[in-house]
Amino acid sequence: AQSVSQHNHHVILSEAASLELGCNYSYGGTVNLFWYVQYPGQHLQLLLKYFSGDPLVKGIKGFEAEFIKSKFSFNLRKPSVQWSDTAEYFCAVVRGGSQGNLIFGKGTKLSVKP
Amino acid sequence: NAGVTQTPKFQVLKTGQSMTLQCAQDMNHEYMSWYRQDPGMGLRLIHYSVGAGITDQGEVPNGYNVSRSTTEDFPLRLLSAAPSQTSVYFCASSYVPDYYNSPLHFGNGTRLTVT
Repeated sequence: AQSVSQHNHHVILSEAASLELGCNYSYGGTVNLFWYVQYPGQHLQLLLKYFSGDPLVKGIKGFEAEFIKSKFSFNLRKPSVQWSDTAEYFCAVVRGGSQGNLIFGKGTKLSVKP
Repeated sequence: NAGVTQTPKFQVLKTGQSMTLQCAQDMNHEYMSWYRQDPGMGLRLIHYSVGAGITDQGEVPNGYNVSRSTTEDFPLRLLSAAPSQTSVYFCASSYVPDYYNSPLHFGNGTRLTVT
């Protein structure tokens, strides 16, 4: 069965620190990959997505993610976090070429100290 | 532009009671889905629909029913509430799940507590 693993449950950083959140998936075929963010008390919003092409994908608010096919990974990065980045981050996968359902990871809570 | 609207925002039920969580979207999206979000579990798909009259089960369908009589509405029914169904429920929609061209739009969630 297809699964998505997020390595960190809770990450605590100070403002201006660099961020990397891990995401690995288990499906061996072509995949489409996403990162969603959920700010406190709000619904999920799309940060970025990868379908094909350049494996380094840039999203909103200075976030980027790199697809490494050989490692089945799609890690999320940001060079310098802000207090306003405090949120929960979810990696999600859908099989490429398929109009199937998104499978979400368990999420990583990010707390940024001012 | 309302997007995806969920009602109610909060609900408390007693074990064994039934209720319906409402979800409506005004974007003419064909694809609609229900997720539940539990601490440390992420979002898990309950049921989904690719159009009016078509529904299917997701990862955790037991204890829930859905129907899709119109494009706009996708209610989720709890037949006999159990404490294990205490969760936050999100409805989401898109143009037939074409995630490249149509991101999934989420509602604001319904927080359900079953005592």
